[in-house]
Amino acid sequence: DSGVTQTPKHLITATGQRVTLRCSPRSGDLSVYWYQQSLDQGLQFLIQYYNGEERAKGNILERFSAQQFPDLHSELNLSSLELGDSALYFCASSDVQGSNEKLFFGSGTQLSVL
Amino acid sequence: QQQVKQSPQSLIVQKGGIPIINCAYENTAFDYFPWYQQFPGKGPALLIAIRPDVSEKKEGRFTISFNKSAKQFSLHIMDSQPGDSATYFCAASYGFQKLVFGTGTRLLVSP
Repeated sequence: DSGVTQTPKHLITATGQRVTLRCSPRSGDLSVYWYQQSLDQGLQFLIQYYNGEERAKGNILERFSAQQFPDLHSELNLSSLELGDSALYFCASSDVQGSNEKLFFGSGTQLSVL
Repeated sequence: QQQVKQSPQSLIVQKGGIPIINCAYENTAFDYFPWYQQFPGKGPALLIAIRPDVSEKKEGRFTISFNKSAKQFSLHIMDSQPGDSATYFCAASYGFQKLVFGTGTRLLVSP
């Protein structure tokens, strides 16, 4: 168990809908990262937060947004969903402040857009 | 230039064999090269990592070989076991920049 908690584990929704994925980092970790994993794209970095502030942005679509709350949990919001958004979404946290050198991944949220 | 190219896509070896997974990069600024292991239904977990100041690092049955001049690094699994069957990802980063992952190698170790 990595100590990173993601909910829900599975999410099935329809095109055009909006969903929220939730992540609780390991106790004491200030950094949260979101990754998208699909069969053809591998692990794609979406966004990183450090202690409530956005630190880095990757290939995140404008329809997607995220935030990190004062209690350090993070949410990834996906809106106007398309079939191509179906993927496994991982959250990770870091044990080295501000660094991505050792990431602890949650078990992911499997999103299916029908 | 931010890509990390990983091969092969899949690999089957017999128990006791030594699977080798290779990765290549272009960005010479990369200074941290980890390998992650992912079992079905789980998130990736850090397995072993290396920095470019050494050419080899061993942790148990797992070895990273690093060739700075060729901009390549590889993972070797000694005496592989069926329990090593998983997907392996190489990655690279520098400073506080994002980790860039390879596309993964699905390893199957047959009994």
